[in-house]
Amino acid sequence: AQSVTQPDIHITVSEGASLELRCNYSYGATPYLFWYVQSPGQGLQLLLKYFSGDTLVQGIKGFEAEFKRSQSSFNLRKPSVHWSDAAEYFCARINFGNEKLTFGTGTRLTIIP
Amino acid sequence: EAEVAQSPRYKITEKSQAVAFWCDPISGHATLYWYRQILGQGPELLVQFQDESVVDDSQLPKDRFSAERLKGVDSTLKIQPAELGDSAMYLCASSSDRTGRSTEAFFGQGTRLTVV
Repeated sequence: AQSVTQPDIHITVSEGASLELRCNYSYGATPYLFWYVQSPGQGLQLLLKYFSGDTLVQGIKGFEAEFKRSQSSFNLRKPSVHWSDAAEYFCARINFGNEKLTFGTGTRLTIIP
Repeated sequence: EAEVAQSPRYKITEKSQAVAFWCDPISGHATLYWYRQILGQGPELLVQFQDESVVDDSQLPKDRFSAERLKGVDSTLKIQPAELGDSAMYLCASSSDRTGRSTEAFFGQGTRLTVV
């Protein structure tokens, strides 16, 4: 099945430290990939997306993600996190065939002082 | 800034009762989605509209759930009767893409449903 996997359920990072959230996708063809952020009790906000071209994608709030075909990965990074980055992060993909957006199970990010 | 509006934000209902959620997409967006997000999981698509037509409701439990978008603008999702397992966040999203490919969907703040 076409899916995305987020292996880390919960990550804790110190404020000011760097961050990397992992996302792996299944099925060989290059999918459309997304990262969304969800603050507690809120809807989802799109951070960035990858369709084709440059494999390093810049997003909002200082986030970036790198598409690596060889590793079937699309990891989200930020060089220095802020307390306001504490939230749930979802990787998502467009499934070929039904063109529907499929989400991973999410990674909860906690920021400590 | 244009946004997707949802109401109510929170809803508590007793099992076997009927409940309805409302969504007003961003003006001009042809595609509207309803997602269900169970606590600790990612959102799952329930139904997708293109204008007033349903293009995908394969994951909608049709024995108790219904959705409509009569004039191709706002939409209502109904559950009757509600069950304990329906407790979740219900998210509405919209997109201007007419291909059916949800390339950039904008989400509302959601309705948190608790069934007791």
